[in-house]
Amino acid sequence: SAVISQKPSRDICQRGTSLTIQCQVDSQVTMMFWYRQQPGQSLTLIATANQGSEATYESGFVIDKFPISRPNLTFSTLTVSNMSPEDSSIYLCSVRLLPSGANVLTFGAGSRLTVL
Amino acid sequence: GENVEQHPSTLSVQEGDSAVIKCTYSDSASNYFPWYKQELGKGPQLIIDIRSNVGEKKDQRIAVTLNKTAKHFSLHITETQPEDSAVYFCAASNTGFQKLVFGTGTRLLVSP
Repeated sequence: SAVISQKPSRDICQRGTSLTIQCQVDSQVTMMFWYRQQPGQSLTLIATANQGSEATYESGFVIDKFPISRPNLTFSTLTVSNMSPEDSSIYLCSVRLLPSGANVLTFGAGSRLTVL
Repeated sequence: GENVEQHPSTLSVQEGDSAVIKCTYSDSASNYFPWYKQELGKGPQLIIDIRSNVGEKKDQRIAVTLNKTAKHFSLHITETQPEDSAVYFCAASNTGFQKLVFGTGTRLLVSP
């Protein structure tokens, strides 16, 4: 299994600012994803981070608000731009280790953002 | 797209009792059904999964059953212990991993 490190683990941010979350994996992975978990809610997929190309966003999420980078097979960043209190959530990085047909996801511990 | 419903939202049991959490899904093409456990301050952790060619799978005190005809699957925890207290999420996806869709979660509390 992979070990996923996310930074920061938590942060308190001011309205209108942006914050970048980093996700580092200890092995090369085929697929990386970013999920959002609003307080007391389920997990919602934001986007798939594609290595060397633009991320693939889910309905309701746009690149201008959540720009994502994935420069290599072990690292990705998610930026939450122009934050508002509604962006207060846990943001989770997850990876899929095996090729197509094995859908096991491993999650990081998450980054808990509070926007004031 | 896929929609996953999960019940109950909260479940309180006494230590040693069994706990059952149920999920239904909408997309008949879904064929992979994992269950995740999320403890406070941690990310979700896979505890068991089942694929559509199997009706039941067991791992020590936990088991998952799948009824593809009815499009529902369930998590069974026997001999519950206080350390089983957590939020449990079911999920569904199809081959090729187009998207893993999660249920709304069940908060399980096991009292000593």
